[in-house]
Amino acid sequence: AQTVTQSQPEMSVQEAETVTLSCTYDTSESDYYLFWYKQPPSRQMILVIRQEAYKQQNATENRFSVNFQKAAKSFSLKISDSQLGDAAMYFCAYRAIQGAQKLVFGQGTRLTINP
Amino acid sequence: KAGVTQTPRYLIKTRGQQVTLSCSPISGHRSVSWYQQTPGQGLQFLFEYFSETQRNKGNFPGRFSGRQFSNSRSEMNVSTLELGDSALYLCASSLDFTGTQETQYFGPGTRLLVL
Repeated sequence: AQTVTQSQPEMSVQEAETVTLSCTYDTSESDYYLFWYKQPPSRQMILVIRQEAYKQQNATENRFSVNFQKAAKSFSLKISDSQLGDAAMYFCAYRAIQGAQKLVFGQGTRLTINP
Repeated sequence: KAGVTQTPRYLIKTRGQQVTLSCSPISGHRSVSWYQQTPGQGLQFLFEYFSETQRNKGNFPGRFSGRQFSNSRSEMNVSTLELGDSALYLCASSLDFTGTQETQYFGPGTRLLVL
């Protein structure tokens, strides 16, 4: 079974600085999707960024970028120029392409932004 | 386009009762998935529906059931409620079941409290 691990329960960063959230996963599949979701206090789960495993190029979305290391099964999220609105729980998620296509989530990282 | 909507947003029930939660996907989306979020277990997959058919089911007891209607709206039902069913129930929709339209977009959730 696929598993996703986020080893940092909490992280904090100064406003305007850069922070990296870690995620590792375990799968025997060669093709799959990876996601980062953000869950602010409102509890609405918001898609931050997604990565297709077959693409070598790391995904970027404005201030958010990933470092996807397929061989190491690592998928970290870098947030540049952190803003107060980035404060939230961040979840890393895996989704297979074949078979059950549920999202498998990590336990989450709570990110605090210090003004 | 309107996002995923879930009703009700909050619900208080007592042990032994049953509850029905509703989810309306983004217009044009045909796949609906349900997740349970608790502090102890994190985010866990309940089931996924596509074109009125349950395609996948998570590891939950038979008290948890669901269905999808022809307009892609989905309901989930929990019978004989237990204290441990207190959770945030999240619904997510995606355009299609396979292929490249696999990104799931989440609703605001229904917070269920069982007393």
